[in-house]
Amino acid sequence: EPEVTQTPSHQVTQMGQEVILRCVPISNHLYFYWYRQILGQKVEFLVSFYNNEISEKSEIFDDQFSVERPDGSNFTLKIRSTKLEDSAMYFCASTGRDRASGNTIYFGEGSWLTVV
Amino acid sequence: AQKVTQAQTEISVVEKEDVTLDCVYETRDTTYYLFWYKQPPSGELVFLIRRNSFDEQNEISGRYSWNFQKSTSSFNFTITASQVVDSAVYFCALSEHNAGNMLTFGGGTRLMVKP
Repeated sequence: EPEVTQTPSHQVTQMGQEVILRCVPISNHLYFYWYRQILGQKVEFLVSFYNNEISEKSEIFDDQFSVERPDGSNFTLKIRSTKLEDSAMYFCASTGRDRASGNTIYFGEGSWLTVV
Repeated sequence: AQKVTQAQTEISVVEKEDVTLDCVYETRDTTYYLFWYKQPPSGELVFLIRRNSFDEQNEISGRYSWNFQKSTSSFNFTITASQVVDSAVYFCALSEHNAGNMLTFGGGTRLMVKP
């Protein structure tokens, strides 16, 4: 069964450093997402991406964050200058053709980011 | 604005008991989609079910069943004859038709099934 894959599974970084989290969405999907889950809390939407541009973003997704689809398969989340409060599990997700139909969103296994 | 409430933060049952996880949602959209995801201790989010707002038929899949009640804005999840492997955090989520596929999650319910 096709799946969303994420790397790295866990990263420890020093405060102020840049981090890039990578994702390979399911191959025929067109809509891509990043969500975040701080330890013990709910999963929160960060950003959605379609047709090589951001379609929606939350308040959390400030200027420190950026997303990119550098080639036909990867989808990345960059945090420019990490803060302690960026420590969380970051989930990549993707879904199929029809944005408005509520297509099922499939999540990757997550990337644990620890900022020290 | 959309909102999902899972009032039960933690439930503990003994294996083979039935357990129901509650989910109540708020939305102004007439077309919306409801989801349940399972998060085992390993951390990934596993899709369980999606239900469209115009389809109130309840669904059963093995030991899992879902009860969608539009009148009470609830989408409850029942596990019959629970097993230790069912131990996980379960999230209910909502997306509105006019908000694309942006999911709003509930706070999750941690289910512990003891042998």
